[in-house]
Amino acid sequence: GQQVMQIPQYQHVQEGEDFTTYCNSSTTLSNIQWYKQRPGGHPVFLIQLVKSGEVKKQKRLTFQFGEAKKNSSLHITATQTTDVGTYFCAVLDYKLSFGAGTTVTVRA
Amino acid sequence: EAQVTQNPRYLITVTGKKLTVTCSQNMNHEYMSWYRQDPGLGLRQIYYSMNVEVTDKGDVPEGYKVSRKEKRNFPLILESPSPNQTSLYFCASSFLGLGANVLTFGAGSRLTVL
Repeated sequence: GQQVMQIPQYQHVQEGEDFTTYCNSSTTLSNIQWYKQRPGGHPVFLIQLVKSGEVKKQKRLTFQFGEAKKNSSLHITATQTTDVGTYFCAVLDYKLSFGAGTTVTVRA
Repeated sequence: EAQVTQNPRYLITVTGKKLTVTCSQNMNHEYMSWYRQDPGLGLRQIYYSMNVEVTDKGDVPEGYKVSRKEKRNFPLILESPSPNQTSLYFCASSFLGLGANVLTFGAGSRLTVL
């Protein structure tokens, strides 16, 4: 399946700080999706990016698709305790394949 | 309410005892898929189905079977479970097509094989 690398695997953030997580591929992607999984929960769809260079925002979350459509980033500003969880990117070739995820913990 | 329902949510079993995890969706989705989640490995696809009677292997199909006799149901069968199949399992479904393939996940089934 599609090889997608997510970095970092773990992100420990002080409440109120910003951070970015990345999703990288060696091949050009048709689209990329981001999901969030709260502790003890199931993955929930956040956003889908399709166009080269696309940027979408959801409140404090900013999602970007690279110009070459080989990478994507999720930037969270002013991290809150509600941001705790694992963030997955997922890419479509003939099926939807997930990265290993970035697990975010927040220090109050 | 639109949802994917998995059962059982928790199961402890012993090596070799056949079990089935059921999955049902009420959204008329064509696509259904099973994933397993293990620490540090993310979500790995076991099997998927594009429509009734159409199934295909994902990345880790060994030791699993599936069937898609009805559009709404996609059971996962472990014919002879082994301890390395201890994991958290998710069923998910979506419409097909770029832009429409947003997955809705079930709540998960935590399986322990002793």
